[in-house]
Amino acid sequence: KQEVTQIPAALSVPEGENLVLNCSFTDSAIYNLQWFRQDPGKGLTSLLLIQSSQREQTSGRLNASLDKSSGRSTLYIAASQPGDSATYLCALFSNSGYALNFGKGTSLLVTP
Amino acid sequence: EADIYQTPRYLVIGTGKKITLECSQTMGHDKMYWYQQDPGMELHLIHYSYGVNSTEKGDLSSESTVSRIRTEHFPLTLESARPSHTSQYLCASSTTGVPYEAFFGQGTRLTVV
Repeated sequence: KQEVTQIPAALSVPEGENLVLNCSFTDSAIYNLQWFRQDPGKGLTSLLLIQSSQREQTSGRLNASLDKSSGRSTLYIAASQPGDSATYLCALFSNSGYALNFGKGTSLLVTP
Repeated sequence: EADIYQTPRYLVIGTGKKITLECSQTMGHDKMYWYQQDPGMELHLIHYSYGVNSTEKGDLSSESTVSRIRTEHFPLTLESARPSHTSQYLCASSTTGVPYEAFFGQGTRLTVV
């Protein structure tokens, strides 16, 4: 069974810092990996999707990388802003699965 | 912006009532899902569907049921609500083939009193 782990569980940084969120997984046979953002009490917003054949994806200040062989993905946020404060979730679709497997998320607080 | 909608957004209901949470998507996706999320906790898959007339139970046991009569509609029903059903329910859909990109609704926060 695919296990997805996100480190750290919580992170607080001052505005302007660059930061990295980590995601690891146990089964490298995946179709894709998706990073989501969740604001309190809200649904999930898709940030980036990396297909299994890709190494990274970029959108604005966000860059996500994927290393299937080591079972790792990182989400890099450049020049963080208070509006980036949210929970960030890593999820992936395994070849043997039928739905996304989620990590527990990283709760990010960016202070002004 | 994803075209997947959940209603109601918030619901407070008494114990023993029957409730249906609605989920609709306009993207033509065959695969749809229901996840349950307690505050501050991880998402758990409770139901999914491969398409019309297909429903499957997920990883977390749930007393709810689902139906899939139309591609765009995937409602979740609780026959008799209990306080233990208090949670947030998130509906999602995804493309059937690669890259299996998933889109989520805004969720329904259910409180059973």
